[in-house]
Amino acid sequence: QVQLQQWGAGVLKPSDTLSLICTVDRAFLTNYYWTWIRQPPGRGLEWIGEAHSSGVTNYNRSLASRVSISVDTSNKQFSLKLRSVTAADTAVYYCARVANGAGSYYNFDTWGQGALVTVSS
Amino acid sequence: VVLTQSPGTLSLSPGERATLSCTTSHKITYLAWYQQKPGQAPRLLIYGASKRATGVPDRFSGSGSGTDFSLTISRLEPEDFAVYYCLIYGLSEYTFGQGTNLEIK
Repeated sequence: QVQLQQWGAGVLKPSDTLSLICTVDRAFLTNYYWTWIRQPPGRGLEWIGEAHSSGVTNYNRSLASRVSISVDTSNKQFSLKLRSVTAADTAVYYCARVANGAGSYYNFDTWGQGALVTVSS
Repeated sequence: VVLTQSPGTLSLSPGERATLSCTTSHKITYLAWYQQKPGQAPRLLIYGASKRATGVPDRFSGSGSGTDFSLTISRLEPEDFAVYYCLIYGLSEYTFGQGTNLEIK
């Protein structure tokens, strides 16, 4: 059973760059897309984007100008960077794996524990 | 793709049947359902509109195709009261529904 462990979080100031890492235990990073989702306090879930080890990425159009996601297979991790943050970016950020196989596609089957990022001056 | 999840809140008692709905503006192929409890990451319940994820009790079932989908919980257990989200993939983006808060009546 693959497990995802998130790193990073805390408090940022407006205009800072948010940076989070998700390490993957016992999984083949190259076989999957890896994704980030966020949830503002008391609100619903928002997909941020996804990346594959080949370098292919897809981003939420509303965030595409500020976000980058990459996969580092040698260190078994993938990362999220979100530039020029504002208070509206305050949320719990989750990493997850995009299902691929056994008839299961286009869903997020394994999640990290979540990390709260607060943007405040 | 516009995704509409309803109702926003559903108040029921243990033992009752719950039906949650997601409607899309365009025909889609892949839809998943998630359960989220306070302070926890979402949990995958249903994928491919109707397939139960590993370990999900058979009181949970998904149905639908095209633009109209449903999640049914046949007999509510106390641990089923939570927020439920649908997730779709379309036009190279993923979209979550707004969520249904299933609360104890």
